[in-house]
Amino acid sequence: DAGVTQSPTHLIKTRGQHVTLRCSPISGHKSVSWYQQVLGQGPQFIFQYYEKEERGRGNFPDRFSARQFPNYSSELNVNALLLGDSALYLCASSLEGTPYGYTFGSGTRLTVV
Amino acid sequence: EDQVTQSPEALRLQEGESSSLNCSYTVSGLRGLFWYRQDPGKGPEFLFTLYSAGEEKEKERLKATLTKKESFLHITAPKPEDSATYLCAVTTGANSKLTFGKGITLSVRP
Repeated sequence: DAGVTQSPTHLIKTRGQHVTLRCSPISGHKSVSWYQQVLGQGPQFIFQYYEKEERGRGNFPDRFSARQFPNYSSELNVNALLLGDSALYLCASSLEGTPYGYTFGSGTRLTVV
Repeated sequence: EDQVTQSPEALRLQEGESSSLNCSYTVSGLRGLFWYRQDPGKGPEFLFTLYSAGEEKEKERLKATLTKKESFLHITAPKPEDSATYLCAVTTGANSKLTFGKGITLSVRP
């Protein structure tokens, strides 16, 4: 069975640009959560979606937004990129809206120059 | 605010040299403490979930324990393939997120 799929795996953007990151959960999983992991730090919670509704939001500015589609895949959008947005962005899926049984994808490495 | 502190930041062991990784936490109403393994450039890989003080879980050379204030990940006779970053995280269940520590980078020399 396919695991959590994230795309793209790497990308480089310029300050001020916009970026869209994508996540396909494990088949049957209805919840997707997004985390940001800056180099040398642990992952930090950004958003959780369950059944296409936002269930939780971390302490991130409004430049960050996300949505979940009817097929349970998800997009994370970041506007007006800053150098500090450079990080590994991780998507985790689970059956229900809890972290029990989280499966993480391999992440998208975003570099802002 | 939930806080998770892991120590040491980095640990270098000789193959076969057993040791323990520490995770101390401050939360209101722990619902679960998680240990993950993360290899460079990869997402975290689930190892254990512990729910209450006194609970222990084992998997191959790894054993996780939990008290009311901290958790330990004991590594017995480690091998070079155990080299990775080990992350500890907690959830209070209130909003279903995980709060992670910074991780411990383990290096095992042959």
